[in-house]
Parts: sequence; C-alpha cells; structure tokens
Amino acid sequence: DADVTQTPRNRITKTGKRIMLECSQTKGHDRMYWYRQDPGLGLRLIYYSFDVKDINKGEISDGYSVSRQAQAKFSLSLESAIPNQTALYFCATAALRDEQFFGPGTRLTVL
Amino acid sequence: RKEVEQDPGPFNVPEGATVAFNCTYSNSASQSFFWYRQDCRKEPKLLMSVYSSGNEDGRFTAQLNRASQYISLLIRDSKLSDSATYLCAVRNYGQNFVFGPGTRLSVLP
Repeated sequence: DADVTQTPRNRITKTGKRIMLECSQTKGHDRMYWYRQDPGLGLRLIYYSFDVKDINKGEISDGYSVSRQAQAKFSLSLESAIPNQTALYFCATAALRDEQFFGPGTRLTVL
Repeated sequence: RKEVEQDPGPFNVPEGATVAFNCTYSNSASQSFFWYRQDCRKEPKLLMSVYSSGNEDGRFTAQLNRASQYISLLIRDSKLSDSATYLCAVRNYGQNFVFGPGTRLSVLP
C-alpha cells in the first residue's frame, strides 16, 4: 500500500465550484505539504503544516485553504475554482531533517 | 532570481553517455540537499541525498559545493530508463523545501 495517498486522482470541475483535495499518509510524519506543478514552473508550495495545530502559507496560497484534520490527513480546498488553478497537485510528507515523500498527485482541470 | 535554479535542458544523449546536471541555490543557510527524479505525470521520487563529502550510488554521483552554492549530479553509462526530469531540492532552516524547475533528460538508443 502507498505511504502517501491522494484523492481524487483526476478531477474536472467548473469555474466557481468548491473543490477539496485530500491527502493521507501512513508514514507517521508530522510535516505535510501541498504543492502545485505547472509546466516550466516546477513545484510551488501552497501551504504546509508541521503539526495538527500549525498551518503556514507557502509561496502561492491565494485562492486556497487547508485543513489538518489529524496527523495523517491534510486537505486542500479551492473555495471558488478558476481556470488558472488547473494544474497537477502534489501532497508531500517529511520527518524532521529528512527528505520529502510525495503522493501520486491529483490532476485538476477547471473549465 | 529564483532561489533554486537548474540547467534549462532538455538534454538528449545517446545510451552509454555521461551526463551532468547542475543546480545553484541562493540561500546560504540551506541545510540539506537532494536530487529527485520525476517521470512524466508521476510524483517526484528521491534519487539521492547530497552530502558535503559527495556521495555515489552505482552510476550516480552527487557533489555539493557550499562555498559556491551549487549541487551537481553525474550519471555515468546512461540507460534508456534514465529518461526523466531531474529536480534538485534544498531544505532550508525553516524546514521548508524549495525545488528547482527541473532538467529533462532523454536517453536515445
């Protein structure tokens, strides 16, 4: 079984809709991250959390919100999706002083 | 200027060639360094961590130069299966990771 899972894996939605992407991990890591990846722009950090009570904005948090429901779960919400939020979204986890482990990604298309 | 920059690529090399990737970082307080491999439409996966003394894993060698703030990855005897995008990443004091934009490698038969 995968250590970091993301649901859904693919989603097509319309402008203005609210959408939630979910991430779960079984690695026991405290640190969780959300990134988006666009062609030519690499991975950009949206939000990160170092424990259940800690939420921090990343480089591109506008238009997004997150919820850390438990150590193992970190959700990303788009309150009102817009077309330029079409991208590949990755969740990642890390332990202290360790590398990051990524989920399989969610491909989101906003029409 | 981006915090982490890489060779723009793409690199197209024949099988068996040696290929080198370079990465520079601007934050002198960066603490840890990594190379990730990403296949098309897949998640990045750790290829190797980069240690101050340099490290090798089979055909792959990573080097770190803290004074010049760059990281390198050397792939010897490249295989078709090495075709992918290679991302360098740094972990900063605040425990955040910053990724470079990646360099795409195509190994040709």
